[in-house]
Amino acid sequence: GAVVSQHPSRVICKSGTSVKIECRSLDFQATTMFWYRQFPKQSLMLMATSNEGSKATYEQGVEKDKFLINHASLTLSTLTVTSAHPEDSSFYICSAEGMYTEAFFGQGTRLTVV
Amino acid sequence: SQELEQSPQSLIVQEGKNLTINCTSSKTLYGLYWYKQKYGEGLIFLMMLQKGGEEKSHEKITAKLDEKKQQSSLHITASQPSHAGIYLCGADTGGSNYKLTFGKGTLLTVNP
Repeated sequence: GAVVSQHPSRVICKSGTSVKIECRSLDFQATTMFWYRQFPKQSLMLMATSNEGSKATYEQGVEKDKFLINHASLTLSTLTVTSAHPEDSSFYICSAEGMYTEAFFGQGTRLTVV
Repeated sequence: SQELEQSPQSLIVQEGKNLTINCTSSKTLYGLYWYKQKYGEGLIFLMMLQKGGEEKSHEKITAKLDEKKQQSSLHITASQPSHAGIYLCGADTGGSNYKLTFGKGTLLTVNP
């Protein structure tokens, strides 16, 4: 099946710093990428949808200035958590969808803000 | 908004036993996806169902979508420890803006 690579898998950062998470589709062109957040023992919550070359669409309650999403190419989307705080600690997962494919998920990134 | 109810929330079975996980929607499902997740890891795509009454199987896992397209079930036959994990159903909300909404997941434990 299609492969989506997410990097890094784990990151620890200091409060106030920014962290960038990358999501790459390795063997298909991802026309749409999705970013999710997951808290322990809870489901995935969609944060935003991004289409290549256009601005991301954020879900209600998600701060677009805090969670910057860039989808500059058909194989790469990035999520930058700006001025991270401990409450931003979570598991972030991206998924990528091609024109004729279902969504494939990355392995996730565990962010810990100390 | 589309809400997906998954049941049970958790399930412990003995190896070799059959089990069923259900996913019920408050609205018509335009596409129903089943994923498996080891907590703290990414999701593994299992199956997608789109048509009412559709049934798909892969190895020992069978998924069905009812005729009304509001309920799906995932059935595992002769469970093995490798089946353990979190099973998530996700639904296409329909409309022009495709996006997936997920249920809360079912944690499956298979005891050897």
